[in-house]
Amino acid sequence: AQSVAQPEDQVNVAEGNPLTVKCTYSVSGNPYLFWYVQYPNRGLQFLLKYITGDNLVKGSYGFEAEFNKSQTSFHLKKPSALVSDSALYFCAVRPLNKFYFGSGTKLNVKP
Amino acid sequence: GAVVSQHPSWVICKSGTSVKIECRSLDFQATTMFWYRQFPKQSLMLMATSNEGSKATYEQGVEKDKFLINHASLTLSTLTVTSAHPEDSSFYICSASVPGVRNTEAFFGQGTRLTVV
Repeated sequence: AQSVAQPEDQVNVAEGNPLTVKCTYSVSGNPYLFWYVQYPNRGLQFLLKYITGDNLVKGSYGFEAEFNKSQTSFHLKKPSALVSDSALYFCAVRPLNKFYFGSGTKLNVKP
Repeated sequence: GAVVSQHPSWVICKSGTSVKIECRSLDFQATTMFWYRQFPKQSLMLMATSNEGSKATYEQGVEKDKFLINHASLTLSTLTVTSAHPEDSSFYICSASVPGVRNTEAFFGQGTRLTVV
């Protein structure tokens, strides 16, 4: 069965500090992994994806994610958080045509 | 990236009435679209897969007669919530991805906030 886990409901970080939002997955075959961000009352915006190749993937707004096959993880990172990064973040896997989403992690960046 | 437009952004309706939500792919043809429901502070729950020209595929536990899906063209899918009740109040989101290319990201509509009073 395909599944995605985001172990943290909420992550708090001070502006300017690095941030990490965790994601682990369980999927048969090669994992296609994604990160999305959602602002209040809005749809999801694509941040980045891992398909193959380099384990470190760079995406929008300075975000990056590291794919770790042995730990089945795909953690989202940013070297220096901004207050405007505060939002809800979803990790997702895509086997075939469907997307499976994690439960979401609320990121709070405080000035 | 590709654009998916969802309309309306919000709607308030009376209990017992029906509400239609539209999802359009503006710059690509989407043979498949997806409808999600999101409860407050929760993840997206896949409701159904909308297939152009054929019947939608519903996830387990989703009432087909309650949530009618029509995908009449390659750029439009509609979700109709029939005989709405307050418990149907939620945030509904549609998405589409470029057909036949598995590794592309999904593109999401902006969502529809439905409130049934």
